[in-house]
Amino acid sequence: DADVTQTPRNRITKTGKRIMLECSQTKGHDRMYWYRQDPGLGLRLIYYSFDVKDINKGEISDGYSVSRQAQAKFSLSLESAIPNQTALYFCATSGEMSYNEQFFGPGTRLTVL
Amino acid sequence: AQKITQTQPGMFVQEKEAVTLDCTYDTSDPSYGLFWYKQPSSGEMIFLIYQGSYDQQNATEGRYSLNFQKARKSANLVISASQLGDSAMYFCAMREVSSGSARQLTFGSGTQLTVLP
Repeated sequence: DADVTQTPRNRITKTGKRIMLECSQTKGHDRMYWYRQDPGLGLRLIYYSFDVKDINKGEISDGYSVSRQAQAKFSLSLESAIPNQTALYFCATSGEMSYNEQFFGPGTRLTVL
Repeated sequence: AQKITQTQPGMFVQEKEAVTLDCTYDTSDPSYGLFWYKQPSSGEMIFLIYQGSYDQQNATEGRYSLNFQKARKSANLVISASQLGDSAMYFCAMREVSSGSARQLTFGSGTQLTVLP
């Protein structure tokens, strides 16, 4: 089984709809992250969490919210989706050490019509 | 200013030859880590190699090596003996480790590598 899973893998929705992307991990890591990938822009950080009681905004948090339901679960919500939120979304986890790489989920491809 | 710069949007290499993918970075943090990830067309992010700012030797992992030039703030990825399966997007990323930082990865815009048969 994959260490980091994301659901759904693909989603098409309409402008104004609320949508939730879910992430689960079995790595036992405290640190979890949500990134967005747009063509030509690499990955940009939306939100991150160091533990269940810790939530922090990243570079591009406007229009998004998150919930850390448990150590292993970190969900991303779009309260009212808009077309420019069409992107590939990645969840990631990492250990605490500086040399720990981040482990990425398979990504969720979101299209907002 | 861009923290991670990858100046090569696309690169081509002949199978079995070596290729260097460029990455320069900008930070005032004395402690940081540099990472390279591979993203094939299927979309997943695959960790390749890590270099710490205090590491004395260049990192190597199989056919991957990192040419770390600290004074120039560059961390180029060298892939030796290219294979068709190396065709993918490659991202350079940095983590700053000062206290209070998010310790998230900051990514470059990527280089699309195509290996020619």
